[in-house]
Amino acid sequence: SYVLTQPPSVSVAPGQTARITCGGNNIGSKSVNWYQQKPGQAPVLVVYDDMDRPSGIPKRFSGSNSGNTATLTISRVEAGDEADYYCQVWDSSSDVVFGGGTKLTVL
Amino acid sequence: EVQLVESGGGLVQPGGSLRLSCAASGFSFSDHYMDWVRQAPGKGLEWVGRIRNKANNDTTAYAASVKGRFIISREESKNSLHLQMNSLKTEDTAVYYCARPPTGHWYFALWGRGTLVTVSS
Repeated sequence: SYVLTQPPSVSVAPGQTARITCGGNNIGSKSVNWYQQKPGQAPVLVVYDDMDRPSGIPKRFSGSNSGNTATLTISRVEAGDEADYYCQVWDSSSDVVFGGGTKLTVL
Repeated sequence: EVQLVESGGGLVQPGGSLRLSCAASGFSFSDHYMDWVRQAPGKGLEWVGRIRNKANNDTTAYAASVKGRFIISREESKNSLHLQMNSLKTEDTAVYYCARPPTGHWYFALWGRGTLVTVSS
């Protein structure tokens, strides 16, 4: 089965840049999607197909994907960005796969 | 308004059964694949399964952890999605979300608010 690996936690000061990684075997050949989830709420899609943003998602959220690592980058981090973030791909053998999630803490 | 609303969660004993529903509105339900995703307390997201649209014969796919125990169905006349959960285990305790991928894509731009299922004696 296909496995996605995320760091359990990332911390960043307000105004700085947060980078959350998602590792997987040859993940660069797949389309990676990212979700933000705040406590008690459903996930919200923030990046799809590696680097596209749904309407309403700030340009501060961006994505990249190459080799064995995909990255969600949040520029000029705000207190409201504090949440859990999940990467997700579709794999021909495993179907939909989610990473374990990363808790973003804004210091 | 485009939305998904889950219902049917509750407390059930191990080995028991429960049926969840997801009411869809604001879009052409019959055209879309529909998925279930769950999240155990304090844990990450886990894909449960999918039902394809009528054009694809309402075929289903399941995660290995639920295959043979869970059944996904759809009721077009009521714009509803269902998840029949049988032989429930304590590890099935989770918030269950229904989610809709856009046609031809494998991400979820539309989610319900979820319904909590607790499997405990």
